[in-house]
Amino acid sequence: AQSVTQLDSHVSVSEGTPVLLRCNYSSSYSPSLFWYVQHPNKGLQLLLKYTSAATLVKGINGFEAEFKKSETSFHLTKPSAHMSDAAEYFCVVSDRAGNTPLVFGKGTRLSVIA
Amino acid sequence: DSGVTQTPKHLITATGQRVTLRCSPRSGDLSVYWYQQSLDQGLQFLIQYYNGEERAKGNILERFSAQQFPDLHSELNLSSLELGDSALYFCASSAPSGLPEETQYFGPGTRLLVL
Repeated sequence: AQSVTQLDSHVSVSEGTPVLLRCNYSSSYSPSLFWYVQHPNKGLQLLLKYTSAATLVKGINGFEAEFKKSETSFHLTKPSAHMSDAAEYFCVVSDRAGNTPLVFGKGTRLSVIA
Repeated sequence: DSGVTQTPKHLITATGQRVTLRCSPRSGDLSVYWYQQSLDQGLQFLIQYYNGEERAKGNILERFSAQQFPDLHSELNLSSLELGDSALYFCASSAPSGLPEETQYFGPGTRLLVL
């Protein structure tokens, strides 16, 4: 069975500084990995996804993530935080070898300080 | 806007009652997924339908049921409601392959409050 661990429940950064949201996964098969963002009172929006094409994945709004199989990690980064980045971020895994739906991490709340 | 619509946006009801949540997937998407988001359990997968057939089942209670109709919209039925069923219920849809690595597009959710 697959699982995801988001290592920080809350991250606070100053505007203009780098963002790092950490995620470790566990999967029996080659996983597909996703990052979704949820703004307050909104639905979930896909930021980026990894499906084995390239280990460094670029997403929307300047976010990117690197798949590291040896570390079973898929950390999300952004060089410079913007106030509009404040939201809840979810790391998500699915097993591509089986017919299994998405498994969500518990989320990391990102606060951006002016 | 993801293209997935959900109605109603908010629902307030009493314990023991039954409610129906509705979801319309993106045009052309054959798969519909239902998820529950609560403070204590986080985001959990409930059930998936693909082109009218149940495809995968997650942590869905026996009091809950779902179906997908020929026009591909889906309904989630919650019965004998309990206080703990209060949550945000999301619907998502994905492209015709229906495979788990396909991007799932989420609706805005239905917020259910059971009093």
